[in-house]
Amino acid sequence: AQSVTQLDSQVPVFEEAPVELRCNYSSSVSVYLFWYVQYPNQGLQLLLKYLSGSTLVKGINGFEAEFNKSQTSFHLRKPSVHISDTAEYFCAVSLGGFKTIFGAGTRLFVKA
Amino acid sequence: GAVVSQHPSRVICKSGTSVKIECRSLDFQATTMFWYRQFPKQSLMLMATSNEGSKATYEQGVEKDKFLINHASLTLSTLTVTSAHPEDSSFYICSATDSRVPEETQYFGPGTRLLVL
Repeated sequence: AQSVTQLDSQVPVFEEAPVELRCNYSSSVSVYLFWYVQYPNQGLQLLLKYLSGSTLVKGINGFEAEFNKSQTSFHLRKPSVHISDTAEYFCAVSLGGFKTIFGAGTRLFVKA
Repeated sequence: GAVVSQHPSRVICKSGTSVKIECRSLDFQATTMFWYRQFPKQSLMLMATSNEGSKATYEQGVEKDKFLINHASLTLSTLTVTSAHPEDSSFYICSATDSRVPEETQYFGPGTRLLVL
């Protein structure tokens, strides 16, 4: 069975500082990997995804993530965060066929 | 990009009544739609997968007679919470995808907040 672990439930960070949100997954087969952002009382917006190819994936809003197969990780990074990046971030995996398993979420709180 | 809408965005109902939530893909054909439930400060839990023109597939522990799903067209899926009770209060989110496009991307609706009194 597949699982997703987001290692930090909350990440406070000052504005313009770099941030890394950690995600590890478990699967015996190849998976597709995703990061989504959720603002309060809204649905999910896709930040980026890894399907194949280059392990460094660039997404929207200046975010990027690196797929590390040996460490089964897909950590999300941004070199300089803004107040507007305050939101809930979900890491997710899919085996294909679109059925997706989500991590518990990481609350990013950007402080002025 | 692909847009998915949900209606209503918020609904309050009395215990024992039924509530219908609509999920629409506005600019693409959704061969598959997913319904999720999200409790406060928690992740999304998949409730069911619906393919256009066929019966929905429910996840383990989800009562299919309680949560009726219909996917009658390529742009519309509905979730009906029958005989709602306070424990059904939650944030319900749908997503849609076109399985004919191999991009493995789901497009999420904005969610529906259900409060059962």
